[in-house]
Amino acid sequence: NAGVTQTPKFQVLKTGQSMTLQCAQDMNHNSMYWYRQDPGMGLRLIYYSASEGTTDKGEVPNGYNVSRLNKREFSLRLESAAPSQTSVYFCASSWGDLDTQYFGPGTRLTVL
Amino acid sequence: AQSVSQHNHHVILSEAASLELGCNYSYGGTVNLFWYVQYPGQHLQLLLKYFSGDPLVKGIKGFEAEFIKSKFSFNLRKPSVQWSDTAEYFCAVNANQAGTALIFGKGTTLSVSS
Repeated sequence: NAGVTQTPKFQVLKTGQSMTLQCAQDMNHNSMYWYRQDPGMGLRLIYYSASEGTTDKGEVPNGYNVSRLNKREFSLRLESAAPSQTSVYFCASSWGDLDTQYFGPGTRLTVL
Repeated sequence: AQSVSQHNHHVILSEAASLELGCNYSYGGTVNLFWYVQYPGQHLQLLLKYFSGDPLVKGIKGFEAEFIKSKFSFNLRKPSVQWSDTAEYFCAVNANQAGTALIFGKGTTLSVSS
């Protein structure tokens, strides 16, 4: 099992460009999450999907959109990237929203 | 709103020293508690978790944590650290209610010198 996979691993964007971060899990988990990690800030939840077909905002949703494409895949889109979105993005999944979350390897995004 | 506080931002220890990392949370109800570890350049991995039962929880690599409900604390301990324990440690809490998010502390960086 690969667990949680994320693509790409690294990305550099210019301000105003758009991109989609991809996440997939092969553990048949119901819930999936997107976090951003910034120095000294810990992990902050951007969006989550408690089950297929549902998505909800987390602590820092502004500037992002998500799509729960199917049970396995949960993508994060930046429509118009800003330097404040420079961060490391982690996807995670769990059986239910109270269960242990398993994390992907992360995407390091730089917005110039 | 829930919050999680990790008291130490950066801890520096020598090998074989004992470790205790503090974690306090603010929420009056039932909680699920986690410690995650992030080794340099890697993703987060679960060290241990507490859902119910014995408040002293043992995790991987010799780590343990004690849930003290009266103090809203879930401190992480290890009797003798190794150089390979150098990492960032995150405490996380969610209220035991459907639809609530996992809240992370800001993390503690542990540096162990050999």
